[in-house]
Amino acid sequence: AQSVTQLDSHVSVSEGTPVLLRCNYSSSYSPSLFWYVQHPNKGLQLLLKYTSAATLVKGINGFEAEFKKSETSFHLTKPSAHMSDAAEYFCVVSNTNAGKSTFGDGTTLTVKP
Amino acid sequence: DAEITQSPRHKITETGRQVTLACHQTWNHNNMFWYRQDLGHGLRLIHYSYGVQDTNKGEVSDGYSVSRSNTEDLPLTLESAASSQTSVYFCASSDPGRGREQYFGPGTRLTVT
Repeated sequence: AQSVTQLDSHVSVSEGTPVLLRCNYSSSYSPSLFWYVQHPNKGLQLLLKYTSAATLVKGINGFEAEFKKSETSFHLTKPSAHMSDAAEYFCVVSNTNAGKSTFGDGTTLTVKP
Repeated sequence: DAEITQSPRHKITETGRQVTLACHQTWNHNNMFWYRQDLGHGLRLIHYSYGVQDTNKGEVSDGYSVSRSNTEDLPLTLESAASSQTSVYFCASSDPGRGREQYFGPGTRLTVT
């Protein structure tokens, strides 16, 4: 069984300040973990993924995430928010070879000027 | 470039009618998925397929069906549309294997009146 919990439904930051979006997961096996971003009225785009290689994963647009097995966490960070980062972010866990995934409920990121 | 497309992008239908949403991918992926997205629920898996002639139920499959007659297409049918099926529907595809990300279509917004 697998599940994922995004700890904040909404996060608001000022432009130029750090971003932290929190994600905890539960998995019976070594999981693959993903962060996707969804801009308004668009499909989902992959930001980054963890697949048991380096625990610190770098993604597109300056985002990165750290896999912490002891804390069962995979938090998403960015040092400096940009207005274009305003979107919905989804944490996803998958522990099967067939790619069946479980999505978190999403975190809405607002960036204030 | 390879892509995944959905049609129609917007659909309004009446309660009780049969509706089919199309999904077509040119990635040559074996895995295909249908999700629905509702406020507060993230993305929930409706049906999925690991290859031609293979289909499986997801967590919210009641009232929906799929068929897979070729690699490229996975149409989603609502047998008798209900107001509770008003939602945004996303199709996705991926390669088999651990850690493979899903590629998403742009979504279909379905309204059942």
